[in-house]
Amino acid sequence: GEDVEQSLFLSVREGDSSVINCTYTDSSSTYLYWYKQEPGAGLQLLTYIFSNMDMKQDQRLTVLLNKKDKHLSLRIADTQTGDSAIYFCAERPSLSGGFKTIFGAGTRLFVKA
Amino acid sequence: NAGVMQNPRHLVRRRGQEARLRCSPMKGHSHVYWYRQLPEEGLKFMVYLQKENIIDESGMPKERFSAEFPKEGPSILRIQQVVRGDSAAYFCASSSSDRGTTGELFFGEGSRLTVL
Repeated sequence: GEDVEQSLFLSVREGDSSVINCTYTDSSSTYLYWYKQEPGAGLQLLTYIFSNMDMKQDQRLTVLLNKKDKHLSLRIADTQTGDSAIYFCAERPSLSGGFKTIFGAGTRLFVKA
Repeated sequence: NAGVMQNPRHLVRRRGQEARLRCSPMKGHSHVYWYRQLPEEGLKFMVYLQKENIIDESGMPKERFSAEFPKEGPSILRIQQVVRGDSAAYFCASSSSDRGTTGELFFGEGSRLTVL
């Protein structure tokens, strides 16, 4: 089946690291994604990881993938108030048509100054 | 701006009326996806279309909802006889057809439907 789960809220202080966790169910997923949604806007791709990778680093972002446990995490270093947004974990089941992508409920990140 | 364009941004309907939401995909994209976002429920897949074809409608409610992506013009998500539970933000996304890419979806800013 296709399902993605993540916690709904996370609150951190400015300058701290944020870690957002996610579990997914479809082991055939070849790509896993993190999208960001700012208030009143659509989603934008933040980063992605290919399923044969364990880790991907991109500036302040680190993505960790544990394929055995179907667990994905996003770490934001030195979190800033501008990082306040909803972060969606998503998977693209490889057996699905096109680029049909399954999203989690989103984690709302609050950054306190 | 060659991004995904959705209109209207906001739509108010009374119960029983029809709602039509439009989406023009990014230039060069031939795949369109519709998602619905309800508070606290995240983004739910509704339907995936290519030009003149519905590829996957597994997330569409069986009644009152329909979608099309004609050869010419935007994709349209149509909701007949709207009920209060249809109130949500409806997002359209598009992608290229190139399976060698990462599969990124490009989203519009959404259409927010309010049913009175």
